[in-house]
Amino acid sequence: GAVVSQHPSWVICKSGTSVKIECRSLDFQATTMFWYRQFPKQSLMLMATSNEGSKATYEQGVEKDKFLINHASLTLSTLTVTSAHPEDSSFYICSASMDSGANVLTFGAGSRLTVL
Amino acid sequence: QQQVKQSPQSLIVQKGGISIINCAYENTAFDYFPWYQQFPGKGPALLIAIRPDVSEKKEGRFTISFNKSAKQFSLHIMDSQPGDSATYFCAARDYNTDKLIFGTGTRLQVFP
Repeated sequence: GAVVSQHPSWVICKSGTSVKIECRSLDFQATTMFWYRQFPKQSLMLMATSNEGSKATYEQGVEKDKFLINHASLTLSTLTVTSAHPEDSSFYICSASMDSGANVLTFGAGSRLTVL
Repeated sequence: QQQVKQSPQSLIVQKGGISIINCAYENTAFDYFPWYQQFPGKGPALLIAIRPDVSEKKEGRFTISFNKSAKQFSLHIMDSQPGDSATYFCAARDYNTDKLIFGTGTRLQVFP
């Protein structure tokens, strides 16, 4: 079946630094990838939608300069948290779809970011 | 309009019992309704999904019941097992925006 790999699975960084999280579709080409954020014991909140070769579409309230998304190929999307602060600490999860939308999504295992 | 309301927030079931989780929505543009299972520290995994032209779908111990007129759908887990203990999310896809909207989640605990 479809597999989405996310790396790193956890990262600790100092306040003010930038952190990059990678999301790869291992056995299929992902036209669309979605990035979600999840706080403890809460639901998944969509942050942005990225389509290969075009700019990401951000949800209302998500700072695009803070959360840089690049979808340079059909198998890789990256999320960079720039100038991270403790309030950015969260569980970030990517998902990928083989078609152009959210029809059948495969999720990565998530990346836990802790900003000190 | 975009919300998917999920209940209960938590559920405790004895082994062998039936676990029932309910979801409701308002947006008529929703056209695909998946359920996801999430273990602590892991990403969600697709469990089962249904489209609105079907009233019920069963896969093993998992069944989705869908009531289009009431805009409600539910997940039934038959013969619940301790290994089913996880958080379950219902979701709905908006065909206008192509986005998946998640419910608030239900933490299921199955005791032996």
